[in-house]
Amino acid sequence: EAQVTQNPRYLITVTGKKLTVTCSQNMNHEYMSWYRQDPGLGLRQIYYSMNVEVTDKGDVPEGYKVSRKEKRNFPLILESPSPNQTSLYFCASSPLGGWNTFGSGTRLTVV
Amino acid sequence: DQQVKQNSPSLSVQEGRISILNCDYTNSMFDYFLWYKKYPAEGPTFLISISSIKDKNEDGRFTVFLNKSAKHLSLHIVPSQPGDSAVYFCAASAGGGGTSYGKLTFGQGTILTVHP
Repeated sequence: EAQVTQNPRYLITVTGKKLTVTCSQNMNHEYMSWYRQDPGLGLRQIYYSMNVEVTDKGDVPEGYKVSRKEKRNFPLILESPSPNQTSLYFCASSPLGGWNTFGSGTRLTVV
Repeated sequence: DQQVKQNSPSLSVQEGRISILNCDYTNSMFDYFLWYKKYPAEGPTFLISISSIKDKNEDGRFTVFLNKSAKHLSLHIVPSQPGDSAVYFCAASAGGGGTSYGKLTFGQGTILTVHP
């Protein structure tokens, strides 16, 4: 089954403790992105990647890092999480000229 | 600066009637527009799209209209069904013809409730 898989689905962590949210796609898509969804703000893009080793900032990149060492994986790294990064996160992938397929989301709470 | 706006946080309609969801944008560089539907505890799923060279695109019960001069698009669902109840996001891309030129800008979403 073609899908985007994010892990974990739920995560509660403490301020300052580094964490990684994994994202993997099995569709050989070139593009991958990370979004966060917050009430009243919709989905805002954090980072995107057009191919292996090619990444660029989205609208809200501060406090996040990404890497694209393999085509299928696009992890999101929070080096020092803060409470304002409490949010619902979505990973997405898409082929050239195609629409995004989203993962099921990761609900992150930073206390 | 919200470049894509959905000014109605919610919409309630009766089953069988038409649902009209609206979206406005400010960036004249946007050339591709999409609608996504999102159920609770799931990621958004693609619904329908339209290129800026068109003013209408239809797929079954779903039709998207684009008014470039007004920088406005709308999604019509006819007839509405209870299973259509979800959050609907419009999104825009300035990618030169692709939905996947890296950057999508989303609106805030509209919660649609269709009553039996």
